[in-house]
Amino acid sequence: KNQVEQSPQSLIILEGKNCTLQCNYTVSPFSNLRWYKQDTGRGPVSLTIMTFSENTKSNGRYTATLDADTKQSSLHITASQLSDSASYICVVSARSNYQLIWGAGTKLIIKP
Amino acid sequence: DAGITQSPRHKVTETGTPVTLRCHQTENHRYMYWYRQDPGHGLRLIHYSYGVKDTDKGEVSDGYSVSRSKTEDFLLTLESATSSQTSVYFCAIRGTGADEKLFFGSGTQLSVL
Repeated sequence: KNQVEQSPQSLIILEGKNCTLQCNYTVSPFSNLRWYKQDTGRGPVSLTIMTFSENTKSNGRYTATLDADTKQSSLHITASQLSDSASYICVVSARSNYQLIWGAGTKLIIKP
Repeated sequence: DAGITQSPRHKVTETGTPVTLRCHQTENHRYMYWYRQDPGHGLRLIHYSYGVKDTDKGEVSDGYSVSRSKTEDFLLTLESATSSQTSVYFCAIRGTGADEKLFFGSGTQLSVL
């Protein structure tokens, strides 16, 4: 069964600190993996997309990594800001039919 | 929110009543989607559309119907609302860039009492 598991479920860190969110998937055949940021009361917004051949991709203070062999991805946030408080969702696309499998998200809280 | 408007933003209704949620886009994109989001779950696809009058079921389509009579509008109808349909509903459009990412509306919070 195609699944996406994210950890931790929630995380609280102090402003200025770094953090790493994890995503494990069992989707096959794999097409790409995306990270979305969802602010409270808003729809998700795309942060980055990674294909099979990409290991690392950065978007400002966000850096995503992908290990297609172990089927793991991580999202690293550097020098966190209060505005980073949100849920971060990992989404994997199956190559066969554009099916998207969504993780339940990690809720990140940044404290001043 | 990338030219996507959902209405209403909040709705409270009673069990057994029909409910229609509206999604309007100004981007002229072909693909439109309805998702529901519940605590502890990832977004789950209800229905999607790949053109005017062209729709298909997602993974949780029971109890829902959709219509798309114009490119810009995608309607989601709960024929007879149940408490299990209390959720946040998101509409999305698929961009035409190479990465085909989704752009989401701000959501509709639906409570069925």
